[in-house]
Amino acid sequence: DAGITQSPRYKITETGRQVTLMCHQTWSHSYMFWYRQDLGHGLRLIYYSAAADITDKGEVPDGYVVSRSKTENFPLTLESATRSQTSVYFCASRDSRRRTEAFFGQGTRLTVV
Amino acid sequence: KQEVTQIPAALSVPEGENLVLNCSFTDSAIYNLQWFRQDPGKGLTSLLLIQSSQREQTSGRLNASLDKSSGRSTLYIAASQPGDSATYLCAVTPGANNLFFGTGTRLTVIP
Repeated sequence: DAGITQSPRYKITETGRQVTLMCHQTWSHSYMFWYRQDLGHGLRLIYYSAAADITDKGEVPDGYVVSRSKTENFPLTLESATRSQTSVYFCASRDSRRRTEAFFGQGTRLTVV
Repeated sequence: KQEVTQIPAALSVPEGENLVLNCSFTDSAIYNLQWFRQDPGKGLTSLLLIQSSQREQTSGRLNASLDKSSGRSTLYIAASQPGDSATYLCAVTPGANNLFFGTGTRLTVIP
């Protein structure tokens, strides 16, 4: 199916564990993004990638790691999960031209206990 | 840093009413502004994209306007329906490719 998909949709993990959230898009969009959504803060950018092997920090990158070896995939890893990372995580993509729409995945609800 | 504000945070209207949602941003150096809809527990669905050179964009019962110089956008919803109930988010794209989001307006349309 065309589009942007995230997995898993729901995840519960323990404090200190490593967890990876997956994001896959089928449009070959250059740009991909990871956001977290929290009550009172709205959507905040964690990391973004302009192309394969090019990534950069966003507003709240601490505690997260990303990689992008292939254009279509942009996994987000929490190296050692903390309760403050309990959130809903959204992946997004857009074409390299800045004047195009951004498209979002359905989100991953992560709970760290 | 770009700040995006949406007022009101929540809005409740009777079915059939026309309504306006507001979005303001602090830095007018943007490439475009995008309106999204988010249903509870769901992802963001793109509604309208309005380029910085445009004044408005329309899709069905939705009309978005942009006044870049004053840092304002409005989303007009005509003849509201209960199915329009959702949170509406606006986001601007400045010089980098990031999107800066407002915190949204939660709309409830009462049958």
